[in-house]
This record gives sequence, structure tokens and C-alpha cells, in this order.
Amino acid sequence: DGGITQSPKYLFRKEGQNVTLSCEQNLNHDAMYWYRQDPGQGLRLIYYSQIVNDFQKGDIAEGYSVSREKKESFPLTVTSAQKNPTAFYLCASRKTAVQETQYFGPGTRLLVL
Amino acid sequence: AQKVTQAQTEISVVEKEDVTLDCVYETRDTTYYLFWYKQPPSGELVFLIRRNSFDEQNEISGRYSWNFQKSTSSFNFTITASQVVDSAVYFCALSKGNAGNMLTFGGGTRLMVKP
Repeated sequence: DGGITQSPKYLFRKEGQNVTLSCEQNLNHDAMYWYRQDPGQGLRLIYYSQIVNDFQKGDIAEGYSVSREKKESFPLTVTSAQKNPTAFYLCASRKTAVQETQYFGPGTRLLVL
Repeated sequence: AQKVTQAQTEISVVEKEDVTLDCVYETRDTTYYLFWYKQPPSGELVFLIRRNSFDEQNEISGRYSWNFQKSTSSFNFTITASQVVDSAVYFCALSKGNAGNMLTFGGGTRLMVKP
């Protein structure tokens, strides 16, 4: 089945630790996005990538890093510089025609121990 | 800068009532796109509808309908004869008409439909 998968579903981070959230899609979409959602709030853009080996910062990129080595994959690393990482992280993808819709994965909930 | 406002943070209705979720947006672009997404308790965002700025026709899909009015910068969503399964958080979003297609989300409206 075509879709977007995110793993793990839940992730625990210790102080000072880097953690990586996985996002994979088999929809042959060109663009991929990472959003952060805090409780009771809307989504905010962290990073996005329109093509392989290229990505741009979103509104809240500080403390995060990404890579786009393959079209299907767009992992997000939450670094120790991100002081308040507890949130729900959603990955999305879309074809790069202007009018195309972003489709979302099931999300990863990150908690700090 | 773009902005989306969903003034209703929470709405509670009884099953079979009609309910309208409000969305007001701000943008300086002449070409833009508006979206509604549903977020059930599982967390995944489910796409409901996309509208471009040149198409002000209202749309109906089953019990769902959308009213887009450029004159008031609003894109409201109505659920007719609500059901318990409609309980979720609903997000309105706005994107520019360019290749980046970054979405600006409203804060969301939590809809609770009671039996």
C-alpha cells in the first residue's frame, strides 16, 4: 500500500541526547516536510525539502537537523540544542506541482525523560 | 505574512446537530490555496478539501460543506447532522501559490459530538 510511515510511534530522549525520527514515503512524492505540534496548538514548519540533497529551514528550525539522501526518506534529528523537544512530530509529503496537497504520516510523539 | 485564525477553540454539540467551524485568513498573495484537515485522536492529519483563490464555488461532499468568501477572507466548514465519529480537531491551513507550498495552520478547533 502507498503511504507515509513514521517511526517510532513514541520516542524517549534523555538530556543531552540526539534522537532521530524516521519518515519514509512510497508515493513517489518529490517534496517532504517536518512539522511540530504542541498540545492544543496548530502545526509549525521545521524543515522542508523539495528535491534530493536540498532542504530549507522552516519557521522553527533551531535545534533540529535533516538530510535528504533519498527521495523516499527525510529523517529529522532532534539535537541536544533543542531545549524543549517534547511535542508531536508530523511528516508530510506532496508532489511538487503547485496545486498539490500535502499528505501526512501518523506522527511520532517525543518525550523527554 | 500569512495568518490563519480559528477563533473557536472548542465546540460541543449533540449528535445530529449541524455545526459550523470558522476560518479567517490573511494573505497579501493573489494566488493561494486553502485547506481543511481533520485530526482524530490517533493524531494523523486527514486531508478533507483544497480550494484555490480563484474558485469561490461552495463545495458539498456528503455531510460536509465548505463556504469560501474572498470578500470576508473566510473559508468556513459545516458538518450537517453531526455524528460521534466527527469528533476530532479540525485545522484550516493556507499556502502560497508557489512551488514551496508551505502551509500556515490555524490553531485548530476541537469538535466534540455527544451521543
